[in-house]
Amino acid sequence: ELKVEQNPLFLSMQEGKNYTIYCNYSTTSDRLYWYRQDPGKSLESLFVLLSNGAVKQEGRLMASLDTKARLSTLHITAAVHDLSATYFCAVDYSNSGGSNYKLTFGKGTLLTVNP
Amino acid sequence: NAGVTQTPKFQVLKTGQSMTLQCAQDMNHEYMSWYRQDPGMGLRLIHYSVGAGITDQGEVPNGYNVSRSTTEDFPLRLLSAAPSQTSVYFCASSYAAGNQPQHFGDGTRLSIL
Repeated sequence: ELKVEQNPLFLSMQEGKNYTIYCNYSTTSDRLYWYRQDPGKSLESLFVLLSNGAVKQEGRLMASLDTKARLSTLHITAAVHDLSATYFCAVDYSNSGGSNYKLTFGKGTLLTVNP
Repeated sequence: NAGVTQTPKFQVLKTGQSMTLQCAQDMNHEYMSWYRQDPGMGLRLIHYSVGAGITDQGEVPNGYNVSRSTTEDFPLRLLSAAPSQTSVYFCASSYAAGNQPQHFGDGTRLSIL
């Protein structure tokens, strides 16, 4: 059974600060996804990481994947209030080339950015 | 394109009632999945489909049925609702190519009394 652990689960930070969210998973996989969810809303795709060493950046967010360590990180640079949301990592455990329909999600990190 | 459309958005049921949550996508995606989201639990996979006529169980399938007669539609049926099925249900779809993320609907908020 694939397990996906995110930490921290709750993160309160000040605007302008940097921080990293960690996502560890228990079974070999080379596909990892990051999503953002605002309260009461749907999930929005942030990053798709498909190979060891993959790094993606969008604005103040940067995600990386180390498949050997079974670890992905989501780094926040100079946080702003608009980044307040819940962030989920999800790992594909379907073990089939080109598939992404069997995702195991972490419990999410609730990020609050304070002025 | 409307993307992934879920109906209804809210529903209250009594224990023992049955109902169907609708999900439709207009992106010609091969894959469709149903998840439930409970506080502090992330999302858990209920059932998924890799194409019309093909479905399989996910992590928490008990109490739910699915079918996929067309590429566009993937309804989720609650056979006999129980309070433990109170949750937010999300439908998602994606292309077969793994380099694309799943696209999620807006969710159905379901309460079982």
